This record gives sequence, C-alpha cells and structure tokens, in this order.
Amino acid sequence: QQQVKQSPQSLIVQKGGISIINCAYENTAFDYFPWYQQFPGKGPALLIAIRPDVSEKKEGRFTISFNKSAKQFSLHIMDSQPGDSATYFCAASISYGGSQGNLIFGKGTKLSVKP
Amino acid sequence: GAGVSQSPSNKVTEKGKDVELRCDPISGHTALYWYRQRLGQGLEFLIYFQGNSAPDKSGLPSDRFSAERTGESVSTLTIQRTQQEDSAVYLCASSSRTGGYEQYFGPGTRLTVT
Repeated sequence: QQQVKQSPQSLIVQKGGISIINCAYENTAFDYFPWYQQFPGKGPALLIAIRPDVSEKKEGRFTISFNKSAKQFSLHIMDSQPGDSATYFCAASISYGGSQGNLIFGKGTKLSVKP
Repeated sequence: GAGVSQSPSNKVTEKGKDVELRCDPISGHTALYWYRQRLGQGLEFLIYFQGNSAPDKSGLPSDRFSAERTGESVSTLTIQRTQQEDSAVYLCASSSRTGGYEQYFGPGTRLTVT
C-alpha cells in the first residue's frame, strides 16, 4: 500500500513558467512533509519542508502549499529555470512520540524546463 | 562542513557474492538511515540507527540484509548472497534529531548484480 502518491510522473515546463507537483498522503499521523531534489547520479537534496500547522511555506522561488483536510500538499516552482531540471520527490514522516522518523517517499516527478 | 559520504560509489558484483557498503554520516548526527532506490522509483526505507539504541530493522527486505553502526559514526550495510533484484542505489542519510526530520543524504552506492 503506497502511503504517499505523487503526480505527475513527468513534467515539461517552459523557462519562466510555473512548475506544480502534487502529493497526497493517507496516514493522518504524518507531521513532517519535505521535498527533495535529485540530479542524476547524486543523492536527494532537501529543498523545502512544511509541518501541518501552516498552510504555506515559501523559500525563494519554491513554495509548499498544504491542505490538511484534503491530505494533500504541493510544490510550486516559480519562474522555472533550466537548472531546475531534476527529479523531485515528496515525502512524509512521523516525527513525534519516539518515532524513528523514516521518510515515506512518493515515486518522483521528472521535471524538464525548456529554454 | 563535510556532508554524508558513502563508498564505494559503484559496485558490480556477481550473483551470490556478498557486498559491504559504507556510510560516514555528518559529524554529530545521532540518527542514521539506509534507503534503497530502484531504477525510476522512490526511496524505500531499510534500517534506522539512533545513538546506542537497538536499530529499527523493519524495512529490511530479507535476512540477507544486515547493517551495523559503531556508536554514532560509520555504518556498514551488508548484503549476503546477492541477487539480481538487489541491483539499486543504496542511500544513507543522517539527522541530528530523534524523529529524524531534516535528513541529509549521501551520494549513494550504485550496486549492480550480474
């Protein structure tokens, strides 16, 4: 049973456009939702993360929107650049109550930004 | 400071052989995780170490997989009698907090079983 569902699988955006990647989760105990960026041959790099007590978090061109009632969260990349071309993973974990906090990942979205 | 390092970066082995993968976490990080990433897939949790506590092995796919960690330093993941389905990138992450948020990943070891 996949606990975090990510869409789309792939995304092509023109330079300067907005990239939007969506994730949905099932376990209401999750309380930490990070996004990772992965370039080919590299490990995932933490991009931005949110907790369910806020509905939006912005860092530079990257914004997470969080909808607790719908159990959904999304990553928006504003003014997308060719250098943003990478695979993006959403994830979720439980960080309280002595939980080990292992991340449950979506299957990833391959983003291509065309110049 | 230095990030998470892993070695080797690539490993090709024959089916049935044992392999050992190494992870050096960020200094001072008490929590360490191993994940597996199959081609085109997300990451799957394998095992978790926190300080000197007993590891959480709930994600290990079979008894051919084992891992050790010495205190709060280096960890090794061992796969015995490798099978072709073990081919994947094995990633290590460390965190300074219990509950493991803000996990920082190493570059991974790409394992190919022929």
